[in-house]
Amino acid sequence: GDSVTQMEGPVTLSEEAFLTINCTYTATGYPSLFWYVQYPGEGLQLLLKATKADDKGSNKGFEATYRKETTSFHLEKGSVQVSDSAVYFCALIGSNYQLIWGAGTKLIIKP
Amino acid sequence: KAGVTQTPRYLIKTRGQQVTLSCSPISGHRSVSWYQQTPGQGLQFLFEYFSETQRNKGNFPGRFSGRQFSNSRSEMNVSTLELGDSALYLCASSLEAGEVYEQYFGPGTRLTVT
Repeated sequence: GDSVTQMEGPVTLSEEAFLTINCTYTATGYPSLFWYVQYPGEGLQLLLKATKADDKGSNKGFEATYRKETTSFHLEKGSVQVSDSAVYFCALIGSNYQLIWGAGTKLIIKP
Repeated sequence: KAGVTQTPRYLIKTRGQQVTLSCSPISGHRSVSWYQQTPGQGLQFLFEYFSETQRNKGNFPGRFSGRQFSNSRSEMNVSTLELGDSALYLCASSLEAGEVYEQYFGPGTRLTVT
C-alpha cells in the first residue's frame, strides 16, 4: 500500500544552518506530495506541495523537489531560524484520495 | 476570516465512557475531515463529511463515528473509550469534498483516557 517514510528526529541545528529533512514514498503512480508543519500547540499548516514529477514546491524559504526516480521529496532550507522549530510532516494523496502521512520529524533550532 | 475551531481543546475521560468532539469549519467550507494523531501510529484519517453525508472513511472500528450538521459543523463520537484512544484529534475543513490540497486544520482536541 501507499506509505511515506521520513527521517527520524529530533533534528537539532544551530540558527543559520542548512536544513534537509528526508522523505521517501511508496505509491502507485505519481501522487501529489506535500510538506506540512505543526508548530507547538497549533494545527497542521500546509507548507508546500508538488503535484507532478520534477515540480519544485517552495514557501517561506523552504523547498522540496518531486523526484520520481528516487521516489523522494526532501525538504530543504538554506538558513534556518529559531522560529522554524516545529514538527514537519511529509504526506501524499493515497489511492483512497486521502492523505497518507509520514511519522513526522521534530526540528529544534538553537540560537 | 476565522479559522477552524475545535472544542474542547483538552479532555480527560475514563475507560468505558464515551466522548463527543466538535469542529466548526471555516465559513463557507462544506467538507470536514477528522484525523487521529498518536505518537505510535502517527496521523491517521478517520472520516470525511460533506453535505451531512459521510463521504470517505478510514480504517477505524465502529466505536468511532461522526456526523455533520446543515451548517457544516461536525461532531465525532467515540464510544466505549479505550486507553489507546488517547490522542490528538484534528479536524480539517475545505470548500468542497475531496479537496485534500486545500485543507485547513484546527488546533485539535487532546483526549486523554485514564
